[in-house]
Amino acid sequence: NAGVTQTPKFRVLKTGQSMTLLCAQDMNHEYMYWYRQDPGMGLRLIHYSVGEGTTAKGEVPDGYNVSRLKKQNFLLGLESAAPSQTSVYFCASSRPRTRRETQYFGPGTRLLVL
Amino acid sequence: GENVEQHPSTLSVQEGDSAVIKCTYSDSASNYFPWYKQELGKGPQLIIDIRSNVGEKKDQRIAVTLNKTAKHFSLHITETQPEDSAVYFCAASIVARGNEKLTFGTGTRLTIIP
Repeated sequence: NAGVTQTPKFRVLKTGQSMTLLCAQDMNHEYMYWYRQDPGMGLRLIHYSVGEGTTAKGEVPDGYNVSRLKKQNFLLGLESAAPSQTSVYFCASSRPRTRRETQYFGPGTRLLVL
Repeated sequence: GENVEQHPSTLSVQEGDSAVIKCTYSDSASNYFPWYKQELGKGPQLIIDIRSNVGEKKDQRIAVTLNKTAKHFSLHITETQPEDSAVYFCAASIVARGNEKLTFGTGTRLTIIP
């Protein structure tokens, strides 16, 4: 049981390039989330999903897209990276049926956009 | 939307002393308040949480108190140890079907001085 895993761990992009961050969970959780963490700003919700095939916007969705084609995977895409998207990205998942409030986090992806 | 403020941003205490971190929230409808610990290079991990129907909860050296009237909650760590050094985040949410979004505070970097 690996919990929540994220790929890649670190990436450097040039402005305008695109990439996809992958989050996978093996806990059969219904809900999944993408956050970004910036110094002095805590964690801010980008997008989230309450089930396979569904996604919704969070607090800071601009410049990002997401997809939840499979229950265990949640993908975060950057179509045209900007320096303002330099951040550490965390994925989380939760199970709404028991202790549904508890979110379990992955180890993070550090992204640098030059 | 919900706004969570967290103080202090940094805290240093002697090993064996107690540490207290405070958070305030703005939305009186919030009913779930978790605390996360984030060690260097890792994702946040839940250490304790409290729901609005209780005023205090303890788990060994860690306790959380909630004052719904004043809309603030606090994390108390007693008999601090070097392994308590980390960044701590408070969060708040309204737990309801289809809405499990957390709003995080900006974090407190706790340093335990040996």
